[in-house]
Amino acid sequence: EPEVTQTPSHQVTQMGQEVILRCVPISNHLYFYWYRQILGQKVEFLVSFYNNEISEKSEIFDDQFSVERPDGSNFTLKIRSTKLEDSAMYFCASSEAWGNEQYFGPGTRLTVT
Amino acid sequence: ELKVEQNPLFLSMQEGKNYTIYCNYSTTSDRLYWYRQDPGKSLESLFVLLSNGAVKQEGRLMASLDTKARLSTLHITAAVHDLSATYFCAVDIGTGNQFYFGTGTSLTVIP
Repeated sequence: EPEVTQTPSHQVTQMGQEVILRCVPISNHLYFYWYRQILGQKVEFLVSFYNNEISEKSEIFDDQFSVERPDGSNFTLKIRSTKLEDSAMYFCASSEAWGNEQYFGPGTRLTVT
Repeated sequence: ELKVEQNPLFLSMQEGKNYTIYCNYSTTSDRLYWYRQDPGKSLESLFVLLSNGAVKQEGRLMASLDTKARLSTLHITAAVHDLSATYFCAVDIGTGNQFYFGTGTSLTVIP
């Protein structure tokens, strides 16, 4: 069964460093998303991406964040200068069409020290 | 600001019992999703509800949607230990297909 994959599973970085989180969405899906979940809290929307453009972004997704689809398979989230409060689990998701269920990857746990 | 609230936040129930989790949301939407999350794991899609009055059932779980009341329910019948997990509802209202997740309900089924 096709699934969303994410790498790395765990990333530890120092405050101020740049990180890139990688995702491979399900191959025939057209819509891609990033969410984050701070430990013990609810899942928060960051950004949605379609047709090589950001469709929507939340207030969390400020200038420190960017997304890219560098090739036909990968979808990346970059955090330019990490802060302690960026520590969270980051989930990538994809869907086949607008309004369809979103399939989530296993997540990348980001720890900023 | 859209609010998606679930109750209860924590639920401890005995095996064999029935219970309902509620998801209320504060703005118009006719698309609601239920997900399950096991500790340290990702989100697993359970139900997709796309219209008023939609009802879906899978095993011991049944989900329904009342868009007029802005309410969805997840009903658990004859709970078993394997259902222990955190359950999230998510509402889709945006043009960019962004999901607003509820606060989550942590369910523990006690043998």
